Amino acid sequence: QVQLVESGGGLVKPGGSLRLSCAASGFTFSDYYMSWIRQAPGKGLEWVSYISSSGSTIYYADSVKGRFTISRDNAKNSLYLQMNSLRAEDTAVYYCARDLTGPTRGGFDPWGQGTLVTVSS
Amino acid sequence: DIQMTQSPSSLSASVGDRVTITCQASQDISNYLNWYQQKPGKAPKLLIYDASNLETGVPSRFSGSGSGTDFTFTISSLQPEDIATYYCQQYDNLPHTFGQGTKLEIK
Repeated sequence: QVQLVESGGGLVKPGGSLRLSCAASGFTFSDYYMSWIRQAPGKGLEWVSYISSSGSTIYYADSVKGRFTISRDNAKNSLYLQMNSLRAEDTAVYYCARDLTGPTRGGFDPWGQGTLVTVSS
Repeated sequence: DIQMTQSPSSLSASVGDRVTITCQASQDISNYLNWYQQKPGKAPKLLIYDASNLETGVPSRFSGSGSGTDFTFTISSLQPEDIATYYCQQYDNLPHTFGQGTKLEIK
């Protein structure tokens, strides 16, 4: 079945770095855009970034631009999020999701189980 | 950025009730609107895409309608397993923005 599994979250000090990974299975990973979406504790959902199927097109939310870098390795069916200069407000559960946005339909489906990033001294 | 405003923020209803949630976009987004269900401690799940299309496997008691700036999500007969927070999300423009969520509880 289609599955996404995130890893790499944890506790990091302000100004620190962390790299999240998302392992995909059950579908042709290289055919799909992918996105990272986060959710601060007790808060709503915030889209963070997406990357096209080939990796040639990338967008970031203003809140992370210049600090986060999204990438993918289609040979390894994996998505990544390199997070630098982390701030307390980056504390959240980070989800990877298959991005179905296109000319015929939209939506993020499925989502991974999420990985918690806590930025605190 | 396009702002998505959901109402109400929370809702209490009885099993069997018809439940309606609205979502308003700050500008015309055509039908580029999706609805998600998030149960406590779980990842969101896509229920409806393009405003009114039911995702495969989603029960038919869920439905969506609307276009332009005003959208509606309906549960025709509330079931205990529908307790969750529901989010709308637009994908007409980047960044893809979500509504603030509607927390649905059983009365």
